[in-house]
Amino acid sequence: GAGVSQSPSNKVTEKGKDVELRCDPISGHTALYWYRQSLGQGLEFLIYFQGNSAPDKSGLPSDRFSAERTGGSVSTLTIQRTQQEDSAVYLCASNPGDRTDTQYFGPGTRLTVL
Amino acid sequence: AQSVAQPEDQVNVAEGNPLTVKCTYSVSGNPYLFWYVQYPNRGLQFLLKYITGDNLVKGSYGFEAEFNKSQTSFHLKKPSALVSDSALYFCAVRGPYSSASKIIFGSGTRLSIRP
Repeated sequence: GAGVSQSPSNKVTEKGKDVELRCDPISGHTALYWYRQSLGQGLEFLIYFQGNSAPDKSGLPSDRFSAERTGGSVSTLTIQRTQQEDSAVYLCASNPGDRTDTQYFGPGTRLTVL
Repeated sequence: AQSVAQPEDQVNVAEGNPLTVKCTYSVSGNPYLFWYVQYPNRGLQFLLKYITGDNLVKGSYGFEAEFNKSQTSFHLKKPSALVSDSALYFCAVRGPYSSASKIIFGSGTRLSIRP
């Protein structure tokens, strides 16, 4: 079956522009996570959705970052007024929603802010 | 608050030797623990998990991990390393309480297996 997909795969933008990153989770997965991975580094938790609500937004780095999820499916991560330090790979993961479940990761979106 | 630590940025092992990648955690109550692997230019893949039961968990590609409650550790092991095991390994933890408890990852350990 189809896995988690993310688009675009690569995004190059200029400092100060807004960007939207999209995640399509596996059908039926109620939990959706966004992480950020800087070059060769660890995964930084950003936000987590259960259904359409976000119980934990504690990882969002600043108010320039926001995310939404609609219909319990697609999620969009928006970064406003991008800065060079926002450059990273943004990873999305979904799971069926039970706390014992494994994460299924998308391929990521590589964001480069010039 | 829950946390997970991988104290080694890099582990170097000769092919055929045993390998260990360390992970320690902090969580209220009994933890759910996971290992994931990221091969170059590929997405993160699940390796194994501990939920309950036997402290020794076996996973993909011949890897296993041992849950040690007293030491709050979940080290990843393999008896005989392969060059193809070279990758970035992440430990992850989730607490058992509250539907809002999130899964968090360690900083990663780069495993390098030399021929």
